Amino acid sequence: GAVVSQHPSRVICKSGTSVKIECRSLDFQATTMFWYRQFPKQSLMLMATSNEGSKATYEQGVEKDKFLINHASLTLSTLTVTSAHPEDSSFYICSARVGGQDYHEQYFGPGTRLTVT
Amino acid sequence: GQNIDQPTEMTATEGAIVQINCTYQTSGFNGLFWYQQHAGEAPTFLSYNVLDGLEEKGRFSSFLSRSKGYSYLLLKELQMKDSASYLCAVSNSNYQLIWGAGTKLIIKP
Repeated sequence: GAVVSQHPSRVICKSGTSVKIECRSLDFQATTMFWYRQFPKQSLMLMATSNEGSKATYEQGVEKDKFLINHASLTLSTLTVTSAHPEDSSFYICSARVGGQDYHEQYFGPGTRLTVT
Repeated sequence: GQNIDQPTEMTATEGAIVQINCTYQTSGFNGLFWYQQHAGEAPTFLSYNVLDGLEEKGRFSSFLSRSKGYSYLLLKELQMKDSASYLCAVSNSNYQLIWGAGTKLIIKP
């Protein structure tokens, strides 16, 4: 149980284009999903918290107009990197919280490797 | 500020025991997690501690002392596949996970 999928696993795009990454909870309903970014040899950096049916909460320093997050259903959240640039190349990971706020283990998707050329 | 400290890298021998320490300072505390992350992959859940004491799960154990802001992950009977980064994360008063930078564990034959 508690499986989270991400698609695509890898994507290469040209500078200036937009890329959409999907995160799905396959066998449970996730009211809250999280989007992280991880640069090589660094820890996870939380970008935003996404609650189903409401606007995402972005961490300080993360541009909400550049990283568009949509959480339209209890099993799907999407992250769109708009007008991507080489510095956006990174490993993007989503996670979903199982259960209510008092049981807050996060299960992670397999990640998406984004390369912007 | 909030911070999680753990060693950057550790080396151990196959079959041995290794202890990875984590100290934290966060705004509130709602539990501490340990995750394992192999290179190029997403983290996988290892353990969760919210009360003081030792939680044992097979070859892995995790300890928590809330008064000291301290935890450790103990790995026994090390195997080559245990070579990975081990991430310590604390859930703060807002139930956000604050992440440590991770400890890269190198296992030698």
